[in-house]
Amino acid sequence: EIVLTQSPGTLSLSPGERATLSCRASQSVSSSYLAWYQQKPGQAPRLLISFTSTRATGVPDRFSGSGSGTDFTLTISRLEPEDFAVYYCQQYGGSRWSFGQGTKVEIK
Amino acid sequence: VQLLESGGGLAQPGGSLRLSCAASGFTFSSYAMAWVRQAPGKGLEWVSLITNTGDRTYYADSVKGRFTISRDNSKNTLFLQMSSLTADDTAVYYCANSVTRIWFDPWGQGTQVTVSS
Repeated sequence: EIVLTQSPGTLSLSPGERATLSCRASQSVSSSYLAWYQQKPGQAPRLLISFTSTRATGVPDRFSGSGSGTDFTLTISRLEPEDFAVYYCQQYGGSRWSFGQGTKVEIK
Repeated sequence: VQLLESGGGLAQPGGSLRLSCAASGFTFSSYAMAWVRQAPGKGLEWVSLITNTGDRTYYADSVKGRFTISRDNSKNTLFLQMSSLTADDTAVYYCANSVTRIWFDPWGQGTQVTVSS
């Protein structure tokens, strides 16, 4: 089973700053099978990015994804107040789906 | 697209619960569906996935042999039968569409399951 490790656990930033979130896999993941989600308190998760770098419908272009193999990154170019939330990476492989433990982006 | 879970509540250790997820706004029978859970204050854990026809099902090791996923395409409804429940099964359970069988989108609002004596 592929284990995803996200870092940092918490990112304290101010609005307007750039956020860089990391997701590392215990073994290689196809770039077609890596996604990112955003979850705000009391809400269900929302798909942000699929295929490593394809934004879901309605997702602002300040969100971007990149990476390959075992190292993937979600970047938020300029944080808006509504972006403070928890972000999860997720992979599919071998008829198994798994999530990272999440990175909380909080207001500094 | 709307996904509405129900059936959560309080269950005794060793007990059973059946969750339902009513789908609308899309052709339910065309897509795989999944259950994902979130324990209090914790991250997301994939639980189970079923193909569009129901001919194949997949389970996380943590629930295999105890949970059964199923669907009724005539009623646009997804189910999760949970048995031999333990405190570790306490979580919000989300149903989600899985068009590609790779990621999950969209998600329902979730239903709370609490296992306690």
